Amino acid sequence: SQTIHQWPATLVQPVGSPLSLECTVEGTSNPNLYWYRQAAGRGLQLLFYSVGIGQISSEVPQNLSASRPQDRQFILSSKKLLLSDSGFYLCAWSTSGYNEQFFGPGTRLTVL
Amino acid sequence: AQSVTQLGSHVSVSEGALVLLRCNYSSSVPPYLFWYVQYPNQGLQLLLKYTSAATLVKGINGFEAEFKKSETSFHLTKPSAHMSDAAEYFCAVSDNSGGGADGLTFGKGTHLIIQP
Repeated sequence: SQTIHQWPATLVQPVGSPLSLECTVEGTSNPNLYWYRQAAGRGLQLLFYSVGIGQISSEVPQNLSASRPQDRQFILSSKKLLLSDSGFYLCAWSTSGYNEQFFGPGTRLTVL
Repeated sequence: AQSVTQLGSHVSVSEGALVLLRCNYSSSVPPYLFWYVQYPNQGLQLLLKYTSAATLVKGINGFEAEFKKSETSFHLTKPSAHMSDAAEYFCAVSDNSGGGADGLTFGKGTHLIIQP
């Protein structure tokens, strides 16, 4: 069966510090991968998606970047965090762009 | 382009009462439709999905949803609410033409409150 992992589960970082969140998927090959952010009391905002190694599409201009160094690994990064980067970050995978997505447990990021 | 509208950001029902969460979609092609549930500080969990087979779809935890093309709706129901159903619910749509790698379009969510 497939599983998706995210770490860390929670993170408190000062403004201006770097960020690296990792997501890995097990039990499937060549998945589509997604990064979402949920701000407090709001819905899901798609940040990045990837259909293959090294292929990243950005949905919104922002202070964040994403990379996919391996087939089942998706990394969200920032060189300098802003207060507005606080939120709940979710990674998801799917077999295609139109099928259901399966979500990881999320990372709660607080920028102080 | 597809879109999803969830009517009511908050819905409150009494324990044991019917749960009805509304979702209307817009899609230029026959859609795939999904309902997800999110408990506090957790990821989203798939409740059920419609992929052009039976219009009445049964999911986990006693939930079901009916696809009504004429009304462009996919409302989620449960006959009897339980305290454990309190959570955030998201409706989502995808374009099954295969052209959109950016995946699902999500509604803004409905927070379900269960009154004892």
